[in-house]
Amino acid sequence: DAGITQSPRHKVTETGTPVTLRCHQTENHRYMYWYRQDPGHGLRLIHYSYGVKDTDKGEVSDGYSVSRSKTEDFLLTLESATSSQTSVYFCAISEAEKYPGNEQFFGPGTRLTVL
Amino acid sequence: KQEVTQIPAALSVPEGENLVLNCSFTDSAIYNLQWFRQDPGKGLTSLLLIQSSQREQTSGRLNASLDKSSGRSTLYIAASQPGDSATYLCAALFTSGTYKYIFGTGTRLKVLA
Repeated sequence: DAGITQSPRHKVTETGTPVTLRCHQTENHRYMYWYRQDPGHGLRLIHYSYGVKDTDKGEVSDGYSVSRSKTEDFLLTLESATSSQTSVYFCAISEAEKYPGNEQFFGPGTRLTVL
Repeated sequence: KQEVTQIPAALSVPEGENLVLNCSFTDSAIYNLQWFRQDPGKGLTSLLLIQSSQREQTSGRLNASLDKSSGRSTLYIAASQPGDSATYLCAALFTSGTYKYIFGTGTRLKVLA
């Protein structure tokens, strides 16, 4: 299994509070991604990173920000959590954008509940 | 808009049956297509990755094919087992725009003993 960990694995928070989720990899892969998974929507890309301090938006980026100060860590921040952000969040990594090496590997997920 | 569709959303089969899961995509310009398995409450496990230059990939009882001209990929599972019960997702990496994977919503498979 690819070395990807996510923390915390579960979190319950209140509306309006800031929340930061962490993704850590030991594979030294260049690309890192944050997805959310919701029933009926599948996985949707929030933000991704193609290198240290290089990030870009996905299709559902509103209300989220990211940072990547080291190759191994990719942080997802909900500036002011809302109930619509209740979801399961997955981090993924891949080595390169073009083959070979663009197979994606996923972390175990973080279940976030916003009350 | 680039989209990936998986039909059916759910499927039940008796143990031992060979089965095919379908994945359709709207744009034939893809780098690759990846198949995943997801068990309840778990992350995604990569099963097979097919590059745009390939027609199929095999791993054990799994075989994935890719037909870009028709915008379709299939995952063939031979001699299904109860342990194959899971949700299967496909994801396409399109060449136009930035490098973002688009996922289907998955097919939930149940193999009955």
